Amino acid sequence: GESVGLHLPTLSVQEGDNSIINCAYSNSASDYFIWYKQESGKGPQFIIDIRSNMDKRQGQRVTVLLNKTVKHLSLQIAATQPGDSAVYFCAERDSNMLTFGGGTRLMVKP
Amino acid sequence: SAVISQKPSRDICQRGTSLTIQCQVDSQVTMMFWYRQQPGQSLTLIATANQGSEATYESGFVIDKFPISRPNLTFSTLTVSNMSPEDSSIYLCSVVIRIFSEQFFGPGTRLTVL
Repeated sequence: GESVGLHLPTLSVQEGDNSIINCAYSNSASDYFIWYKQESGKGPQFIIDIRSNMDKRQGQRVTVLLNKTVKHLSLQIAATQPGDSAVYFCAERDSNMLTFGGGTRLMVKP
Repeated sequence: SAVISQKPSRDICQRGTSLTIQCQVDSQVTMMFWYRQQPGQSLTLIATANQGSEATYESGFVIDKFPISRPNLTFSTLTVSNMSPEDSSIYLCSVVIRIFSEQFFGPGTRLTVL
């Protein structure tokens, strides 16, 4: 396997449970936030985004919550599946430049 | 969306040599970026590749070490020069099709320097 995610915080959940991955950001000027999923041996894949004028956005099985007061972003995955096992990164954008957070490794137990 | 390919997908190189990584996109894009992802870590922006002019480097990265070319709207190269084991990383190409639109990533090039 690849070395991505070896030293990252790990969240372990049971298949079928909901997962919540958290991220703190630092730049008050960021206008756009994105969650990426990175599977072993692949590049980051876009999951869902949210603009700074929103506090919640839902996709298929995923929800992103944005709390600008405390500069906190979360990704909720409903009914977590084995295929959700990956490293998840949040990213913030300011002036079309992305800055990535540290990442969380999600492990789904069957 | 954009389909991004990178060559090589992985390589093992000797200390002191250089490697050029290619990034090809299936459509014209506005912006192209190069990122580094060191083992077990997040992504760090190396530079923005500018068409027809010198790349814009982030703090800690210099042109002599990471020369970048972008001859057109669909292709860019990143060279890792005079490599050392500390350069062992995944190098990722990323693109934005239109300003303020979604940013896509290539599959990465996994470099190991011995």
